[in-house]
Amino acid sequence: GAVVSQHPSWVICKSGTSVKIECRSLDFQATTMFWYRQFPKQSLMLMATSNEGSKATYEQGVEKDKFLINHASLTLSTLTVTSAHPEDSSFYICSVGLGQGLGYEQYFGPGTRLTVT
Amino acid sequence: ELKVEQNPLFLSMQEEKNYTIYCNYSTTSDRLYWYRQDPGKSLESLFVLLSNGAVKQEGRLMASLDTKARLSTLHITAAVHDLSATYFCLLLSNFGNEKLTFGTGTRLTIIP
Repeated sequence: GAVVSQHPSWVICKSGTSVKIECRSLDFQATTMFWYRQFPKQSLMLMATSNEGSKATYEQGVEKDKFLINHASLTLSTLTVTSAHPEDSSFYICSVGLGQGLGYEQYFGPGTRLTVT
Repeated sequence: ELKVEQNPLFLSMQEEKNYTIYCNYSTTSDRLYWYRQDPGKSLESLFVLLSNGAVKQEGRLMASLDTKARLSTLHITAAVHDLSATYFCLLLSNFGNEKLTFGTGTRLTIIP
């Protein structure tokens, strides 16, 4: 299986500031990474698909100017929450897809817990 | 709108009992995954189901897929306390331009 890391594991920031979360694929190259948000006791909601070298594809209802995604290399995607507010407090998880055809599978990072005060 | 619904949302059961979690979805699927999530943790992959009639088993857990009924099940046999967790199904559709949709989740609590 693949190894996906996220940094930081948790972060507390003040309202109005920006926070950057990193997602790295440690042992393979990923042209596509996925970003999810999970509120307490809820399911994971896909926010956007991060594409290496091109613009991210955002899901309906996700503000692309607020959640900036950069996928500058085949092993790193970043999610920046700009002008964070308390309602942005959530658990953010990234994933990568590995394999082709029947072997395709999703591997998830450990998650980043964001608290905005 | 694509929907992936799990039933039940909450399940409390005694050890040694059997139970089934259901995952219904509203579109054709390329594949379906089952994951486990412990509190405050990320997701642990349990099963990948690729075709109609697929059945996979690992320990006390068994998953199946019926693409005609658009239904997957996760069956728990003789539950033990360390199976307490939240279980999610994940639907992958439109392969090649992947659409990933999580189920609503089932919070399972095993009571000694």
